[in-house]
Amino acid sequence: QAVVTQEPSLTVSPGGTVTLTCGSSTGAVTNGHYPHWFQQKPGQAPRTLICDTTNRLSWTPARFSGSLLGGKAALTLSGAQPEDEADYYCLLSYNDGRAWVFGGGTKLTV
Amino acid sequence: EVQLVQSGPEVKKPGESLKISCKGSGYNFGNYWIAWVRQMPGKGLEWIGVMYPGDSQIRYSPSFQGQVTLSADKSISTAYLQWSSLKASDSAIYFCARHNCYDAWGQGTRVTVSS
Repeated sequence: QAVVTQEPSLTVSPGGTVTLTCGSSTGAVTNGHYPHWFQQKPGQAPRTLICDTTNRLSWTPARFSGSLLGGKAALTLSGAQPEDEADYYCLLSYNDGRAWVFGGGTKLTV
Repeated sequence: EVQLVQSGPEVKKPGESLKISCKGSGYNFGNYWIAWVRQMPGKGLEWIGVMYPGDSQIRYSPSFQGQVTLSADKSISTAYLQWSSLKASDSAIYFCARHNCYDAWGQGTRVTVSS
């Protein structure tokens, strides 16, 4: 089974910009991995921010954006707010959608 | 409004069986895959598998194949995750989600397995 890697922790100043990345042990992450990004705060269910690399959901603040960067999926937060402090997880698809794997998560401190 | 509502917390002993549920509303339940996700205490998210209620197709993560069973009853818009013999290591919160951009999540079901 593939291993999906994320930075264990990152810190950003309020108003600052930070990029979280999501890599795959099988090689470069592409649009064919349909990268998803989730935010989870303590005691809550995850909330989806981005699906299919770049698509924001209706509730996703515009300060969050998804992309591919240097062979990885990336989530960029521009203009960090204190309420963005949370755990962030990526999810990648393998074998034509027959298997999906979460990354280990990034703890973001604002 | 699309909603997924999961069954309540469970406390079980090792070796017991368990079936937890996830009821969908606000959409045609049979037309969307339902995913299940595990979160062990203080740990990250783990993808268990998905099921398509419309025709009962199932795809398991290799890590969970043979350990759990996914099922659904589309007539009552409900998906299930079950164990035939629980272990202490099954203690976790289990989430269901609509596998369509994961645009809806259940609130989670806490399962505690302890002797």
